[in-house]
Amino acid sequence: GQNIDQPTEMTATEGAIVQINCTYQTSGFNGLFWYQQHAGEAPTFLSYNVLDGLEEKGRFSSFLSRSKGYSYLLLKELQMKDSASYLCAVKDSNYQLIWGAGTKLIIKP
Amino acid sequence: SQTIHQWPATLVQPVGSPLSLECTVEGTSNPNLYWYRQAAGRGLQLLFYSVGIGQISSEVPQNLSASRPQDRQFILSSKKLLLSDSGFYLCAWSWDPGTGSNEQFFGPGTRLTVL
Repeated sequence: GQNIDQPTEMTATEGAIVQINCTYQTSGFNGLFWYQQHAGEAPTFLSYNVLDGLEEKGRFSSFLSRSKGYSYLLLKELQMKDSASYLCAVKDSNYQLIWGAGTKLIIKP
Repeated sequence: SQTIHQWPATLVQPVGSPLSLECTVEGTSNPNLYWYRQAAGRGLQLLFYSVGIGQISSEVPQNLSASRPQDRQFILSSKKLLLSDSGFYLCAWSWDPGTGSNEQFFGPGTRLTVL
């Protein structure tokens, strides 16, 4: 079967750094996505990794290791507005997205 | 630029009543279209996707159906709603998913409560 695992919830402090992990087992791999979803809103695209390594985009970075079936999203200089759920999704061999359940990130002042 | 619309934003329906949710995309042609459902505190469950007019693929057998009568219009329907149909329904679009990143872009969603 296909499976994507993320921690259910994480807490971090404003101004700090947090790393959200995602492990996956899918039938084929054609890229991994990270989305941000604020409560009651639609998900918005954050990053895409298809090759191993780190992709940096401002305060957010995403890392991929295909051999380990592992990715993480790194958020630096946390702000209160970063409180949201972060969804990991893998594009499988049929080019469909398989979604994790999401990690709820709580930022404390 | 491309935009995606969904309506209604919220809906409260009795068990056994019909359902029709509409999604339209502007600013692109021949998009891939998707219907997802998200239960409270859960991930996204793909319900239907479409690669063209009249072409619908169903991922989860259930009492819901989808139609694509026009290139940029996607409709989710039910003849008789169940309590378990409650959730947050999201429509999304993408370019051909076989090329490049082709992230999915989501509409604002419809929050459906079945009582």
